[in-house]
Amino acid sequence: DTGVSQDPRHKITKRGQNVTFRCDPISEHNRLYWYRQTLGQGPEFLTYFQNEAQLEKSRLLSDRFSAERPKGSFSTLEIQRTEQGDSAMYLCASSSPGGNEQFFGPGTRLTVL
Amino acid sequence: DAKTTQPTSMDCAEGRAANLPCNHSTISGNEYVYWYRQIHSQGPQYIIHGLKNNETNEMASLIITEDRKSSTLILPHATLRDTAVYYCIVRFVGTNAGKSTFGDGTTLTVKP
Repeated sequence: DTGVSQDPRHKITKRGQNVTFRCDPISEHNRLYWYRQTLGQGPEFLTYFQNEAQLEKSRLLSDRFSAERPKGSFSTLEIQRTEQGDSAMYLCASSSPGGNEQFFGPGTRLTVL
Repeated sequence: DAKTTQPTSMDCAEGRAANLPCNHSTISGNEYVYWYRQIHSQGPQYIIHGLKNNETNEMASLIITEDRKSSTLILPHATLRDTAVYYCIVRFVGTNAGKSTFGDGTTLTVKP
């Protein structure tokens, strides 16, 4: 399968712990996006990269959140000192240089106890 | 990016056409209309997009009004597997492409 992959698919953690999610985009896609989705809502934009450069960050991305894409390929999203309100599905998407379509991964479901 | 307005939910009989409306009255001239759908617990799946002409692919047809302020996604022969949340968004493409701004979508339920 050459689609967008995310790891892990599910994560349960205790409040206050740090978690890190990984996203592997479609090969040669230079743009990579992170979204968060809570139950019953549409995905909300968090941040996006073009190659290794982080071009835009949402106000939703508090200082406890950090995203990286060091080599312009895979990306990681880290949440420090997790809170119950961080419980959500974290979605990654990628697009080609033309940017016409965003292909989404299956998501990582985070549950903070 | 412009915002969109969609009905919260719709029902459709299996085998009939499902017509999902979307209003995007503040769309700018260079923004495209995109449709995605999301089946429970999966990531959104791209369906179709267009600028001003009607578009058709193997999944659906997209009808955009002449003033581009609204559009309709048509699933010609809905099946039970088409039950999902359908999102209409507008966004730039090409070098100006960026984030997608999703609303809450339309929950389509296809009934036997």
